[in-house]
Amino acid sequence: GAVVSQHPSRVICKSGTSVKIECRSLDFQATTMFWYRQFPKKSLMLMATSNEGSKATYEQGVEKDKFLINHASLTLSTLTVTSAHPEDSSFYICSARDLSGEQFFGPGTRLTVL
Amino acid sequence: QKEVEQDPGPLSVPEGAIVSLNCTYSNSAFQYFMWYRQYSRKGPELLMYTYSSGNKEDGRFTAQVDKSSKYISLFIRDSQPSDSATYLCAMRQYGNKLVFGAGTILRVKS
Repeated sequence: GAVVSQHPSRVICKSGTSVKIECRSLDFQATTMFWYRQFPKKSLMLMATSNEGSKATYEQGVEKDKFLINHASLTLSTLTVTSAHPEDSSFYICSARDLSGEQFFGPGTRLTVL
Repeated sequence: QKEVEQDPGPLSVPEGAIVSLNCTYSNSAFQYFMWYRQYSRKGPELLMYTYSSGNKEDGRFTAQVDKSSKYISLFIRDSQPSDSATYLCAMRQYGNKLVFGAGTILRVKS
């Protein structure tokens, strides 16, 4: 199957700092990418849908000014957690949809805010 | 009522057993159905992708979709300890976002 990479895989930061997570589709072009958050032993929670070249669509309850999403190209989307706080600590997973509609997930980024 | 219902388990089976994982859904507009496997602290891995009623087979895995009953299944033959993971069903309408089940924890004991 297609490959989606995420970087970094793990990040620890101090409260109040900003963290950027990159998501890349390595062998296909993705017009649509998704960002999810997952709490321990829970299913994935969709945060936002990102279309290349346009503004992201955020799910209800997700602060767009806190979770900045940029989808600059057909293979790259970034999520920036601004002014991170301990409650933002979580597992963040990106996903990319190919032209056939299949959706592939990245390996995830574990964020720990001290 | 949730759009997609999936028993969280855990489901424990002996090595070599046939595993049956299931999801039911309420939205008849769902057209695309997927099964993902997720190991602890990893992203979900796409196992099966179907868009019509019937069976689809890939190695030890068979995905079954029954749109009339709004019921999908994933069968794993000759289960192995390495199959131990959380299995997530997911589905969507054309162009829409995926809706996930809660995920079933599977444990295959050697």
